[in-house]
Amino acid sequence: AQSVAQPEDQVNVAEGNPLTVKCTYSVSGNPYLFWYVQYPNRGLQFLLKYITGDNLVKGSYGFEAEFNKSQTSFHLKKPSALVSDSALYFCAVRFGNNRLAFGKGNQVVVIP
Amino acid sequence: SAVISQKPSRDICQRGTSLTIQCQVDSQVTMMFWYRQQPGQSLTLIATANQGSEATYESGFVIDKFPISRPNLTFSTLTVSNMSPEDSSIYLCSVVSTSGSTDTQYFGPGTRLTVL
Repeated sequence: AQSVAQPEDQVNVAEGNPLTVKCTYSVSGNPYLFWYVQYPNRGLQFLLKYITGDNLVKGSYGFEAEFNKSQTSFHLKKPSALVSDSALYFCAVRFGNNRLAFGKGNQVVVIP
Repeated sequence: SAVISQKPSRDICQRGTSLTIQCQVDSQVTMMFWYRQQPGQSLTLIATANQGSEATYESGFVIDKFPISRPNLTFSTLTVSNMSPEDSSIYLCSVVSTSGSTDTQYFGPGTRLTVL
């Protein structure tokens, strides 16, 4: 069965420092992976996806993610975090007919 | 990406009652889904809303509790029936939009439901 693990509950980072949010996955077949962000009292916003091709995927708001097949990981990164990046981040894997399985989410807190 | 709206945005309901949530998309889409996000938790897929046929439910969710309609390619409803406090959640609809070679799922703003 498909699953996504986001091992950390909260990630604290100082503004301007690199931000990394970790994600590992398990799925049958080729992995289709996604990152979403949820700001308070708002819906989920799509950040980026990995389907095939380059292992480094670039997305919205300066975020990127690195796919590592051997480690079954898809970590989200941003070179320089902003206070406005403070939000809840979800990693997801596609299974079946376009259905998504989500990780538990990571709260990111960027400290000014 | 598609523009998705949901009504109501939030509601407070009494136990034993039912609430119908609407999801409207600004363009025709083939696939629509309903998710639940319980307080402090991740998103869980409830069902796939199939146009013109019965919804396909995930394990742990049943039609009697969460009846779904999908009368056309731009609209769907989810009803939460005979509510209990455990149904207090954010309910989100999503649609699949083809972007490039691969489909991406986009989400509505959610309906925050509190059951007393």
